[in-house]
Amino acid sequence: GAGVSQSPSNKVTEKGKDVELRCDPISGHTALYWYRQSLGQGLEFLIYFQGNSAPDKSGLPSDRFSAERTGGSVSTLTIQRTQQEDSAVYLCASSSRTGSNTGELFFGEGSRLTVL
Amino acid sequence: AQSVTQLGSHVSVSEGALVLLRCNYSSSVPPYLFWYVQYPNQGLQLLLKYTSAATLVKGINGFEAEFKKSETSFHLTKPSAHMSDAAEYFCAVRGRGNTGKLIFGQGTTLQVKP
Repeated sequence: GAGVSQSPSNKVTEKGKDVELRCDPISGHTALYWYRQSLGQGLEFLIYFQGNSAPDKSGLPSDRFSAERTGGSVSTLTIQRTQQEDSAVYLCASSSRTGSNTGELFFGEGSRLTVL
Repeated sequence: AQSVTQLGSHVSVSEGALVLLRCNYSSSVPPYLFWYVQYPNQGLQLLLKYTSAATLVKGINGFEAEFKKSETSFHLTKPSAHMSDAAEYFCAVRGRGNTGKLIFGQGTTLQVKP
């Protein structure tokens, strides 16, 4: 597709379960970002991948959160032992190397996670 | 570390009135600054950006923003609001240097009344 694709668009899970959220960036984009959007909290940076460099994981809130990017393309955000406070919309964005230097990110529509 | 503060989580204007959404930044070096817009049930899209060229930046849909170093501000304006401008607006900052990480503000929801 032409844009950033995220799946699932909606996920309802029970507390304590693990979830995986997927992001398919724009073809050729070297940078990939994960953000979390909670009501009244704005966008919270989680993790940033740029090419083959070590990812910037400084925003991951706990060791229950992890992300990987395979082959420099698709990324998976994994949340283990989900808690109710993990309920949020998880946004993925990608950019070209030039775009990541100048801040032009292209966002997906997000994955809404609800933890019961 | 860089950060942005958006003053006012909700702003309401009448159609045709001036739109002013406030953003102040904190950065030890001149930053790159951005405004993004999120329409209901959609992803964010870039509205405009400041990258140290002209201090008055024009974006899409008639929006513009002015970088004021003395005030550490980057407020977003539009002379005349349209109903279609109703959305959530995010200010963001990226520090200079070898990182592409964007830090976003908490967002301002713009309501446009007929």
